[in-house]
Amino acid sequence: EVQLVESGGNLVQPGGSLRLSCAASGFTFRNYWMTWVRQAPGKGLEWVANIKEDGNKKYYVDSVKGRFTISRDNAKNSLYLQMNSLRAEDTAVYFCARLVARQTKDYWGQGTLVTVSS
Amino acid sequence: QSVLTQPPSVSAAPGQKVTISCSGSSSNIGNNYVSWYQQLPGTAPKLLIYDNDKRPSGIPDRFSGSKSGTSATLGITGLQTGDEADYYCATWDSSLSAGVFGGGTKLTVL
Repeated sequence: EVQLVESGGNLVQPGGSLRLSCAASGFTFRNYWMTWVRQAPGKGLEWVANIKEDGNKKYYVDSVKGRFTISRDNAKNSLYLQMNSLRAEDTAVYFCARLVARQTKDYWGQGTLVTVSS
Repeated sequence: QSVLTQPPSVSAAPGQKVTISCSGSSSNIGNNYVSWYQQLPGTAPKLLIYDNDKRPSGIPDRFSGSKSGTSATLGITGLQTGDEADYYCATWDSSLSAGVFGGGTKLTVL
């Protein structure tokens, strides 16, 4: 059974940093692109970043470029999102998801809440 | 403002049919595949339709998808109260080199 479990969400002050993790199981993690998607309170889904199977290609939404870094450790079956220079507008539930052909997100984690506030 | 445009809400009675539209452009829907996601209150999104019109195993055939030009449509027949949720379309935007979602549509089954 495919499982994705996010962790690392917390309350952080503006300008602070946080690292989210996503532990994957039930599939061969190194064979799949992965993605982060976020959802601000009461708002819709927003794509954040994608990472290729080997970690050598990454894409980001403009609003996080230069501040967030997506990475992975295939030996640990884990996906990460390093978030720096956090802003109030980054407050959201962050979901990791598995990507299959043509950008389909076929399995999602339960999400982890990041709150940026003083 | 989302790159993909969906109606904020739709409603219909139990047993009826509803369609949800998703409008984009040539850089996204026009040249890429569309997927649809259902998000029940307080839960993670769930894949409903992929590759414009394909259903993953376990998704009932009451749910259907189609695409024409720069628009896509999700159809739900035989509405049930359990279908009340937010529905999102998504695709890749080749000009932005970015994933994009519609703003979401809240379905109410009256």
